[in-house]
Amino acid sequence: DIVMTQTPLSSPVTLGQPASISCRSSQSLVHSDGNTYLSWLQQRPGQPPRLLIYKISNRFSGVPDRFSGSGAGTDFTLKISRVEAEDVGLYYCTQGTQFPLTFGGGTKLEIK
Amino acid sequence: QVQLVESGGGVVQPGGSLRLTCAASGFTFSSYGMHWVRQAPGKGLEWVAFVHYDGSSRNYADSVKGRFTISRDNSKNTLYLQMNSLRAEDTAVYYCARSCSGGTCYTDYWGQGTLVTVSS
Repeated sequence: DIVMTQTPLSSPVTLGQPASISCRSSQSLVHSDGNTYLSWLQQRPGQPPRLLIYKISNRFSGVPDRFSGSGAGTDFTLKISRVEAEDVGLYYCTQGTQFPLTFGGGTKLEIK
Repeated sequence: QVQLVESGGGVVQPGGSLRLTCAASGFTFSSYGMHWVRQAPGKGLEWVAFVHYDGSSRNYADSVKGRFTISRDNSKNTLYLQMNSLRAEDTAVYYCARSCSGGTCYTDYWGQGTLVTVSS
């Protein structure tokens, strides 16, 4: 199974400041079709997960442009350019390149 | 708009069975693979099972293989998860989620979830 490791576990951020979350996979996420199925999910308190970023760097429909994704191979990053109050919650990286689908342990974004 | 609505959760005794249902609308259900993903109370996300768009292929997490069965009825736009031999560690919110295509890739839409509690 591909292990997804996220850091940090918790990220206290001041409103308006940037935030960054890292995700590392235990093996390459490049699929045989040439795509890299690394995505980022946001889970606000009491809500289901919501797709933010897919295939490393593509923002999903309706996602604000302050969210961006980058990386390649086994190392990936989610960045929020200016944190807003509504961004509080848990963030998960996940891979869909190979079964079983696996998720990072989650990063809790909170406001200082 | 895409909607996924889970139902069928509840309290069940260890060793019991439960069938979860996910009603889909707002898209051509028969064109997309579908997942079940669960989240134990206060824990992270755990993938459970996947079925291809036409039901021809299914994949399971080792933790549920042989006990859970994923299926779909494309004529009813409905996804199912039959859960047998339930254990305390199966207690979780169960989400259905759409795959981005007929096979696996990434999950783009999620339902609100249904809570399954396994307890005597």
